[in-house]
Amino acid sequence: SQQGEEDPQALSIQEGENATMNCSYKTSINNLQWYRQNSGRGLVHLILIRSNEREKHSGRLRVTLDTSKKSSSLLITASRAADTASYFCATNAGGTSYGKLTFGQGTILTVHP
Amino acid sequence: ETGVTQSPTHLIKTRGQQVTLRCSSQSGHNTVSWYQQALGQGPQFIFQYYREEENGRGNFPPRFSGLQFPNYSSELNVNALELDDSALYLCASTRGGERNEQFFGPGTRLTVL
Repeated sequence: SQQGEEDPQALSIQEGENATMNCSYKTSINNLQWYRQNSGRGLVHLILIRSNEREKHSGRLRVTLDTSKKSSSLLITASRAADTASYFCATNAGGTSYGKLTFGQGTILTVHP
Repeated sequence: ETGVTQSPTHLIKTRGQQVTLRCSSQSGHNTVSWYQQALGQGPQFIFQYYREEENGRGNFPPRFSGLQFPNYSSELNVNALELDDSALYLCASTRGGERNEQFFGPGTRLTVL
């Protein structure tokens, strides 16, 4: 089963609104990362949050991490049509897991102009 | 653009055939990971190569094999292709096994008929 599970599976909003996506995972992690994918192309790294961090910002992105609940959220503020894409959370476990990323199934975000 | 390139972009094969996909990592990166992404799903980890050695493997059968070359470029080979191997194959590079962000290439779309 997937380590990360995103919620919702699909989100449709108007330009200018905020978009919030959630991710839950099952095992302990070293860090959690969010990626964006446009139309079945390569993944673009958005932000990484380590297990000892609770919140991180990058431009219009805000990520939170709650390790006690094994969950994370990605907030995109003032969304734009260009933000339309699939968004994936990916966890990197600790220990001997090297650089393996375990992805969820993603949230499809549609931003209407 | 991440600096990670993959070839070919698209490929059509028939069941039972063999295929080789190629990846050139970003400059300065000595670790390459391969992922398989079926339509509508998140990427699944196949394996990782670090300094020309396999450094971890996901739940994929032995007919999925790989190589990493001294210049850190990499190949993914799949023998005895099955219909379910149809997917987007992504490679990602990073520095020396660090649990940091991975830089993904645009992917190779493989269709098995």
